Amino acid sequence: GAVVSQHPSWVICKSGTSVKIECRSLDFQATTMFWYRQFPKQSLMLMATSNEGSKATYEQGVEKDKFLINHASLTLSTLTVTSAHPEDSSFYICSARGGAWETQYFGPGTRLLVL
Amino acid sequence: AQTVTQSQPEMSVQEAETVTLSCTYDTSESDYYLFWYKQPPSRQMILVIRQEAYKQQNATENRFSVNFQKAAKSFSLKISDSQLGDAAMYFCAYRSERGGGADGLTFGKGTHLIIQP
Repeated sequence: GAVVSQHPSWVICKSGTSVKIECRSLDFQATTMFWYRQFPKQSLMLMATSNEGSKATYEQGVEKDKFLINHASLTLSTLTVTSAHPEDSSFYICSARGGAWETQYFGPGTRLLVL
Repeated sequence: AQTVTQSQPEMSVQEAETVTLSCTYDTSESDYYLFWYKQPPSRQMILVIRQEAYKQQNATENRFSVNFQKAAKSFSLKISDSQLGDAAMYFCAYRSERGGGADGLTFGKGTHLIIQP
């Protein structure tokens, strides 16, 4: 149990376009989901916390107008990178909070390359 | 703000031997969780072990155990009988409980564990 999926796993886009990444909890309901970013050979950095039915909470330094987060249901959160630029190229990982220990279960990640 | 420090960028161990990965953290809170996550080359984050700060007993999961020293703010991971499949990046992480567990994780920079056959 406690499976989290992400789609797509890999995306290449042109500079200036927008990209949407989906995060789904497949076998449990997640009132809270999290979005992290990981640059090559670096650690995961929390970008934002997403609560179902309410606005996301962004970490300091993360542009909320650039990284739009929607948590429309208890099993789905989306991250839209608007007007993507090459510096937005990164590995984006979501996690969903659930289970008896309120553990965070991670998705497999999405690799974004902006040309 | 909380910080998590992993001072070993890379560790190497012979297969079947024991290795210990270090982690220290800084917080003014008394209620929190600590975690070790494993990230293999696939980049899927896998939970290895968790520890509640209010518990004095060290957590154990099969070959994985922790040495939790709350006063020293230290949380090391011991891997016994190392196997080739243990090779991965290991991240130590902190989660505050002030929000009822709804906070995100703060990660250390990671330790790259190499298993020598």
